[in-house]
Amino acid sequence: EVQLVESGGDLVQPGGSLRLSCAASGFTFRTSEMNWVRQAPGKGLEWISYINSGGDITYYADSVQGRFTISRDNAKNSLYLQLSSLRAEDTALYYCARETVTGFDHWGQGTLVTVSS
Amino acid sequence: QSALTQPASVSGSPGQSITISCTGTTSDIGAYNYVSWYQQHPGKAPKLIIYDVNNRPSGVSYRFSGSKSGNTASLTISGLQSEDEADYFCCSYTKSNSYVVFGGGTKLTVL
Repeated sequence: EVQLVESGGDLVQPGGSLRLSCAASGFTFRTSEMNWVRQAPGKGLEWISYINSGGDITYYADSVQGRFTISRDNAKNSLYLQLSSLRAEDTALYYCARETVTGFDHWGQGTLVTVSS
Repeated sequence: QSALTQPASVSGSPGQSITISCTGTTSDIGAYNYVSWYQQHPGKAPKLIIYDVNNRPSGVSYRFSGSKSGNTASLTISGLQSEDEADYFCCSYTKSNSYVVFGGGTKLTVL
């Protein structure tokens, strides 16, 4: 069974940093493309970052470009998102999602990031 | 403001059919046959229900179907059931600065 479990969400002050993790199991992580998608409270889904299976190709949404960094450790079956220069508008539930030829076919349950003083 | 435009809400009675539209541009929906739809129940993670415009993943009910015309994609749910009450999001790859874009979401109420 495919499982994605996010962790690392917390309350952080504006301007602060945080590192999110996504532990993958039940599939061949090292050959899978992965994404981070966030959802602000009561709002819709916002794609924020992509990484290819080898970790050498990454994409970012304009809203996080230069502030967030996606990475992965295939030996540990883990995906990461480093968040820096956090703003109030980054407050959201952050999901990791596996991407296949059919789309984002598996999602974790999310980890909550709250940016507030 | 989301890149893809969806109605904020739709409603229907049990047994009826409803359609949710998703309007994009020639840079996203109009450029690719890679529209996907996601269902999200309150407090739950999104679930893929349609991919590549009109394909259903294994285990998704035949009552869900998708289509596309020009820059607009549509999700149709037939034979509405109470458990269909949820939020629905469309998604497309895009040629713009982004990689994929989502719609703003549509809340489906089963009356």
